[in-house]
Amino acid sequence: AQSVSQHNHHVILSEAASLELGCNYSYGGTVNLFWYVQYPGQHLQLLLKYFSGDPLVKGIKGFEAEFIKSKFSFNLRKPSVQWSDTAEYFCAVIGNTDKLIFGTGTRLQVFP
Amino acid sequence: DADVTQTPRNRITKTGKRIMLECSQTKGHDRMYWYRQDPGLGLQLIYYSFDVKDINKGEISDGYSVSRQAQAKFSLSLESAIPNQTALYFCATSEPGEGQPQHFGDGTRLSIL
Repeated sequence: AQSVSQHNHHVILSEAASLELGCNYSYGGTVNLFWYVQYPGQHLQLLLKYFSGDPLVKGIKGFEAEFIKSKFSFNLRKPSVQWSDTAEYFCAVIGNTDKLIFGTGTRLQVFP
Repeated sequence: DADVTQTPRNRITKTGKRIMLECSQTKGHDRMYWYRQDPGLGLQLIYYSFDVKDINKGEISDGYSVSRQAQAKFSLSLESAIPNQTALYFCATSEPGEGQPQHFGDGTRLSIL
């Protein structure tokens, strides 16, 4: 079965620190990969996605993610976080089932 | 106006009651989904529908049923609610095809007492 692992459950950073959130998936075939963000009290919004081409994907608000097929990873990065990035971040994958499988989420808190 | 609208936004009810959560969309998407979100568990798929005549069970369909009344409407029912169904419920839509993201509603916070 396909699965997604997010090993960082809770990350606390100061503003301007760099961010990297890990995401690993378990399907060996062709995948579509996504990062969603959920700001407090809001619905999930798409940050970025990968389905083919350049493995380095740039999303909104300065986020990027790199697809490394050999490592089954799709880590999310941002060079300098802001207080407004405080949110929960979900990695998700679509493999051969056409269903979106979510990780358990990483809660990011950024302090001024 | 929101593209994906869920009603109600909040609901508190008692064990054993029947509850229906509604989802409507103006995006014209064929595919619709219901998820529940629990702290520390992420989102789990309850049911999904790829078109009006297509309904499929997700990971955690026991205790739930759905109805796809039209392309734009997909409702989730709890026939006899129990406390461990207390959660945040999200509806989502998407287009078919590779790399298509899902678009989420604002969620329904459901508490079963």
